[in-house]
Amino acid sequence: GAVVSQHPSRVICKSGTSVKIECRSLDFQATTMFWYRQFPKQSLMLMATSNEGSKATYEQGVEKDKFLINHASLTLSTLTVTSAHPEDSSFYICSAAGGGTGELFFGEGSRLTVL
Amino acid sequence: DAKTTQPPSMDCAEGRAANLPCNHSTISGNEYVYWYRQIHSQGPQYIIHGLKNNETNEMASLIITEDRKSSTLILPHATLRDTAVYYCIVRVAYNAGNMLTFGGGTRLMVKP
Repeated sequence: GAVVSQHPSRVICKSGTSVKIECRSLDFQATTMFWYRQFPKQSLMLMATSNEGSKATYEQGVEKDKFLINHASLTLSTLTVTSAHPEDSSFYICSAAGGGTGELFFGEGSRLTVL
Repeated sequence: DAKTTQPPSMDCAEGRAANLPCNHSTISGNEYVYWYRQIHSQGPQYIIHGLKNNETNEMASLIITEDRKSSTLILPHATLRDTAVYYCIVRVAYNAGNMLTFGGGTRLMVKP
């Protein structure tokens, strides 16, 4: 199946700094990518839908100014957690539709720890 | 998208079949049943999907009842590596703009 790659897989940062997470579709073009967040022992929660060349659509309760999403090309979407705080520590996962079928494929996830 | 109901956890002996049930009584005619699984600290992995016919691939079989209100994912010979959280999701037909909405899933523990 299609491959979606995230980087970094783990990141530790100090409170108040910003962190960028990249999501790449390696062998297909993705006009739409989705960003999820997962806290320990909980299910995945959709944060936002990223559309190439346009503004992201955020789910209710997700601060767009804190979680900046850029989808500048058909193979790359980035999530920047600005002014990170310990409560932002979580597992962030991206997903993209590809392979010509609309099937969703997931990245490996990025574990953010804010000290 | 229709809501699904799954048991929170199940155990299975290694080498035996694991049968994971899912109820989706409000499923619409154009909604597919998808199964994904998530091994600890990894992204979800696609397993199988179907509309109304039973489906089988190299990973699993999907049995959908005739009224489509429930389904069962079958792992024919469970191994320790199949220990994961299994998510049953219903979603409209292939459309790149449609996200997946995850419920609680079933935590399957395969034991030696």
